Amino acid sequence: DAGVTQSPTHLIKTRGQQVTLRCSPKSGHDTVSWYQQALGQGPQFIFQYYEEEERQRGNFPDRFSGHQFPNYSSELNVNALLLGDSALYLCASNQGGIYGYTFGSGTRLTVV
Amino acid sequence: DQQVKQNSPSLSVQEGRISILNCDYTNSMFDYFLWYKKYPAEGPTFLISISSIKDKNEDGRFTVFLNKSAKHLSLHIVPSQPGDSAVYFCAALNQAGTALIFGKGTTLSVSS
Repeated sequence: DAGVTQSPTHLIKTRGQQVTLRCSPKSGHDTVSWYQQALGQGPQFIFQYYEEEERQRGNFPDRFSGHQFPNYSSELNVNALLLGDSALYLCASNQGGIYGYTFGSGTRLTVV
Repeated sequence: DQQVKQNSPSLSVQEGRISILNCDYTNSMFDYFLWYKKYPAEGPTFLISISSIKDKNEDGRFTVFLNKSAKHLSLHIVPSQPGDSAVYFCAALNQAGTALIFGKGTTLSVSS
């Protein structure tokens, strides 16, 4: 049973560019959340998607946007990249109101 | 301001001994807490959780204690094994049940 899969695993972008990260949730899960983990910090909540709608958003600027598709997979888009956007981006999925979030291995984004 | 705090960045323990990882929170409205373990190059893995209606939850070698009056929880690992060496994150579920609020993590090193 595949868990949460994320692609790509690593990415290098230039300041000002745009990036799209992808996530496929664990089988049976319908809710996808995205987190940003900066070096030496804990993961920080970006937003959650359920039924193709953004259900809740954390304290991140509008440069961060997302989408959920009918098959429950999700994308995270970041526009106008800043050096400070360099981080590990984690996708987590869960089923409805069950709080056992399953995390993917993440995408390491480096902005130069 | 951090709502979930793990004040010890690191902990070293000998194999077979007890590991105690601590976590404090500031929001008395939090009512569900989780511990995650993270190895390098992997996503966080769910370990154990506790609801605020309990003060203890046990799962094999792992026990979580919750002291609501002190807004403090701890994770006990007995006996500790070298494979337990990882970063441990304490997290609280937000009131909407849609996001995890993480501490900065504690790096546990178990020596044989």
